[in-house]
Amino acid sequence: DAGVIQSPRHEVTEMGQEVTLRCKPISGHNSLFWYRQTMMRGLELLIYFNNNVPIDDSGMPEDRFSAKMPNASFSTLKIQPSEPRDSAVYFCASTKGGTGANVLTFGAGSRLTVL
Amino acid sequence: AQSVTQLGSHVSVSEGALVLLRCNYSSSVPPYLFWYVQYPNQGLQLLLKYTTGATLVKGINGFEAEFKKSETSFHLTKPSAHMSDAAEYFCAVSGFRGSTLGRLYFGRGTQLTVWP
Repeated sequence: DAGVIQSPRHEVTEMGQEVTLRCKPISGHNSLFWYRQTMMRGLELLIYFNNNVPIDDSGMPEDRFSAKMPNASFSTLKIQPSEPRDSAVYFCASTKGGTGANVLTFGAGSRLTVL
Repeated sequence: AQSVTQLGSHVSVSEGALVLLRCNYSSSVPPYLFWYVQYPNQGLQLLLKYTTGATLVKGINGFEAEFKKSETSFHLTKPSAHMSDAAEYFCAVSGFRGSTLGRLYFGRGTQLTVWP
């Protein structure tokens, strides 16, 4: 298995531009999580999906952020418009859900820099 | 609600010395506990997990952790540090019910530096 695939690995953009981050979970995994990592705030859960349905989006910072999971093999996290404070590493993770004992498999992350 | 506190954001040890990374958790029900490691420019990888049964859990790369309910702790140890252990380590507790089921609550992380 190729693991959780994230793209792009690095993104540099200017304030106000739209940013779309992509994630392909591991085949057979039915839960998908988006995390954001910064020095100031550590790892923050933004949103997670179970069977393609958003379960908890309380971590999404504001309306500029949106996430979708149109099918079991693809999810996007969109920021529109982007701001410098959105600069962070964004991780996608997946698991075969159902119990709290399941292990999350993380992607390598997308490093976003907003100038 | 579940939460995790990692004591010490930075730990430095000499190569060959004992590694001890501290983690305390808060949970209203028996927890599932995890340690993840993050190497530079990579995602998090599972080191070990505790679900039920034996309270001393062995993981990869010689790490182990002991679940102590009375102390609400899950400290990570390794008898002898290696240069390749330098990384950031995250303790996490799993949510148990409703919308928290399967969700991991992470600590702030501990950066481990290993000196030659």
